[in-house]
Amino acid sequence: DTGVSQDPRHKITKRGQNVTFRCDPISEHNRLYWYRQTLGQGPEFLTYFQNEAQLEKSRLLSDRFSAERPKGSFSTLEIQRTEQGDSAMYLCASSPGGGNSPLHFGNGTRLTVT
Amino acid sequence: AQSVTQLGSHVSVSEGALVLLRCNYSSSVPPYLFWYVQYPNQGLQLLLKYTTGATLVKGINGFEAEFKKSETSFHLTKPSAHMSDAAEYFCAVSEGDGNKLVFGAGTILRVKS
Repeated sequence: DTGVSQDPRHKITKRGQNVTFRCDPISEHNRLYWYRQTLGQGPEFLTYFQNEAQLEKSRLLSDRFSAERPKGSFSTLEIQRTEQGDSAMYLCASSPGGGNSPLHFGNGTRLTVT
Repeated sequence: AQSVTQLGSHVSVSEGALVLLRCNYSSSVPPYLFWYVQYPNQGLQLLLKYTTGATLVKGINGFEAEFKKSETSFHLTKPSAHMSDAAEYFCAVSEGDGNKLVFGAGTILRVKS
């Protein structure tokens, strides 16, 4: 169990640029979640996958955001035409599924949009 | 929809003193409840969880929490604070078929020497 891995740890980009983040979940976990966390707030749910199927998206996930999990393993989160309001920590988590299974979080990608 | 309220965005205790972090939830169904801890620039680490059964749940690092259905509370306690406990703590409730977690706004714990 190597834990959930996220890359990069930090990303600084200029407004209007596109960015992509990667998440590698714990290998036997079939559920993968993306959250966003801003300063002074708890993590907010963005979307989740069961294997390769994206089953739920938050209304926080605007059209500029897209997430994929093409083979049911790693996932990517892309933000197009970044805005300063996108600056946040993006957290990925995985779980084996089931209502009482805790989520295992990665260390996050901190995005700064200048 | 489920929601979580954490009373007190900042809590300060002396080393060796009791730690009490408050969490109240709203849920239309029997809840699954979790406490996570976050150190600066890191992800969230699970402290403990309540699913069913015993209402007093023990976690890592000497923390425990008690589920009180009548009060819709799940407060986190530790008998004696240590400097290494200084961090931000999040209470969360599981929601929906997807088991996504709904988090409170967090409580920053400061431990004074």
